[in-house]
Amino acid sequence: DQQVKQNSPSLSVQEGRISILNCDYTNSMFDYFLWYKKYPAEGPTFLISISSIKDKNEDGRFTVFLNKSAKHLSLHIVPSQPGDSAVYFCAASEVIQGAQKLVFGQGTRLTINP
Amino acid sequence: DGGITQSPKYLFRKEGQNVTLSCEQNLNHDAMYWYRQDPGQGLRLIYYSQIVNDFQKGDIAEGYSVSREKKESFPLTVTSAQKNPTAFYLCASSILAGRSSYNEQFFGPGTRLTVL
Repeated sequence: DQQVKQNSPSLSVQEGRISILNCDYTNSMFDYFLWYKKYPAEGPTFLISISSIKDKNEDGRFTVFLNKSAKHLSLHIVPSQPGDSAVYFCAASEVIQGAQKLVFGQGTRLTINP
Repeated sequence: DGGITQSPKYLFRKEGQNVTLSCEQNLNHDAMYWYRQDPGQGLRLIYYSQIVNDFQKGDIAEGYSVSREKKESFPLTVTSAQKNPTAFYLCASSILAGRSSYNEQFFGPGTRLTVL
């Protein structure tokens, strides 16, 4: 039972254009949603988060949108740069008995073409 | 430099052998986690610990064991009972969960375990 899903395994975007990565979830108890970026053979690094009570959070070139009624979130990267090429994981956070647990999607490999 | 170290980066073991993966952090974090990543899949939680000498099973704990004798260290043992141990293993740490904020989990560089 996949609680967090990224249905696009890969995405290719031209440099300078907008990259849009999508994520769907099923559990309405998640309180935060986040995006992590991962390069091969390295650990993920945190990009941006959004509280379940917000619908948008922006940080420089990165904006995350949350649509609670659709249980959908997306990450927009504008403008896309070659260094953005990586695997992006969507994750959802839930606090259970004082412990913050993350549930990850399968990841989307983003390739930025020059 | 504050951070999380995992060693070794690559590890090879014969089938049927137990193997222990190291994870050390100097971020003074109370909570530590172990995840497993398989190709085409997201990270799945194996075990987590919020305090020394205490830990809880995650979603895929079978065939694994952990200890938390020191705040800085959270080693993971992959036992011979784990049916598909070949994977990329990631350790993470964070401050304890807050009621009104997300507390970022910081990840180590990972250990790729291959069982021959």
